[in-house]
Amino acid sequence: ETGVTQSPTHLIKTRGQQVTLRCSSQSGHNTVSWYQQALGQGPQFIFQYYREEENGRGNFPPRFSGLQFPNYSSELNVNALELDDSALYLCASSSTGEADTQYFGPGTRLTVL
Amino acid sequence: AQSVSQHNHHVILSEAASLELGCNYSYGGTVNLFWYVQYPGQHLQLLLKYFSGDPLVKGIKGFEAEFIKSKFSFNLRKPSVQWSDTAEYFCAVNAPGANNLFFGTGTRLTVIP
Repeated sequence: ETGVTQSPTHLIKTRGQQVTLRCSSQSGHNTVSWYQQALGQGPQFIFQYYREEENGRGNFPPRFSGLQFPNYSSELNVNALELDDSALYLCASSSTGEADTQYFGPGTRLTVL
Repeated sequence: AQSVSQHNHHVILSEAASLELGCNYSYGGTVNLFWYVQYPGQHLQLLLKYFSGDPLVKGIKGFEAEFIKSKFSFNLRKPSVQWSDTAEYFCAVNAPGANNLFFGTGTRLTVIP
């Protein structure tokens, strides 16, 4: 069984740029959630995708957007990067049969200069 | 809104000592409760979860947690810690069927050999 994978591992951007992060869900999982984990904090929910549609969103501005593809993989896009966007971005996947349990990937460390 | 409090930010123990990490949540309805662990350089892993039934839940690596509804608590315990338990521990909660997890700020556990 393949776990959740994310790419890239690390990324450095400058303020105002745009970034795309990628996630492949665990095999058999059809739902993907994205979280932001700032240094010293717990993960915070950004949004979730199910059946290629956004299925719930946390308290993040519209410049955070996403996609889910037919193979259940997902992208997180952040426009107009700000310094405070520097964080570890985590992807988690879950299945319909075990919908309340999320399994996390290793994360992408984004640094905004 | 749901929230999770983990009052111990950093716990330092010697090997073979007993461990108890506190977790309190605020939410009036039915909840699912989770403990995740993040070993150095690794991704968040599910340690154990509680959905319903026996309030004493056993997880991997000898960990257990007890759900006390009247206290809104879900404390994590281990009778004898090992150096390999050094990690960051996160308590999380969601409502059944909800799409997002609410995390605490985490407790860093350092076990001294």
